[in-house]
Amino acid sequence: DAGITQSPRHKVTETGTPVTLRCHQTENHRYMYWYRQDPGHGLRLIHYSYGVKDTDKGEVSDGYSVSRSKTEDFLLTLESATSSQTSVYFCAISENRELYEQYFGPGTRLTVT
Amino acid sequence: SQQGEEDPQALSIQEGENATMNCSYKTSINNLQWYRQNSGRGLVHLILIRSNEREKHSGRLRVTLDTSKKSSSLLITASRAADTASYFCATVSRSNDYKLSFGAGTTVTVRA
Repeated sequence: DAGITQSPRHKVTETGTPVTLRCHQTENHRYMYWYRQDPGHGLRLIHYSYGVKDTDKGEVSDGYSVSRSKTEDFLLTLESATSSQTSVYFCAISENRELYEQYFGPGTRLTVT
Repeated sequence: SQQGEEDPQALSIQEGENATMNCSYKTSINNLQWYRQNSGRGLVHLILIRSNEREKHSGRLRVTLDTSKKSSSLLITASRAADTASYFCATVSRSNDYKLSFGAGTTVTVRA
């Protein structure tokens, strides 16, 4: 596996609480991504980063924010968690955009009650 | 929005048989990638095929791409129990800023 870790791996939280998920890489790849995976939807991109402090929105970014203060860390924050954000969250990295595969972390299962 | 759509949604085969799954997409692409996901794990990249390529092989995997029909297929030959997984196609296009756009996946079960 590529050097990608996610923490926590599992989390249960209550509606309205803030939650931060962390992705850490040891590959020094420029691009980092956050996806969510829900049954019947495949993976959908939430936010991505193309460098330190450089981020952009994906197709399902509402309710999420991200930060990247170091090359190796990409944080996903749910400011006020809702039940619709119950999902499995995956971080991915890639060296570049065109013609490059992405390497995925093991995922974080988040349940919002 | 999802660019790729896999067919079938689920596939059950006997060990040793071949498994074929298809992916259709809507807009012009730069490349198409196939990923595998074992239960409870992250996705693993299998093959990348560029828009100017028609066929690519990797071990027991064969991928074809028909840009005129906007479709791709993944063939797994001589399947093994370890091939039991979900398989996703993902398209990359300039119009989507080279971001991966995933389909909903095909779940393959290989029976011993």
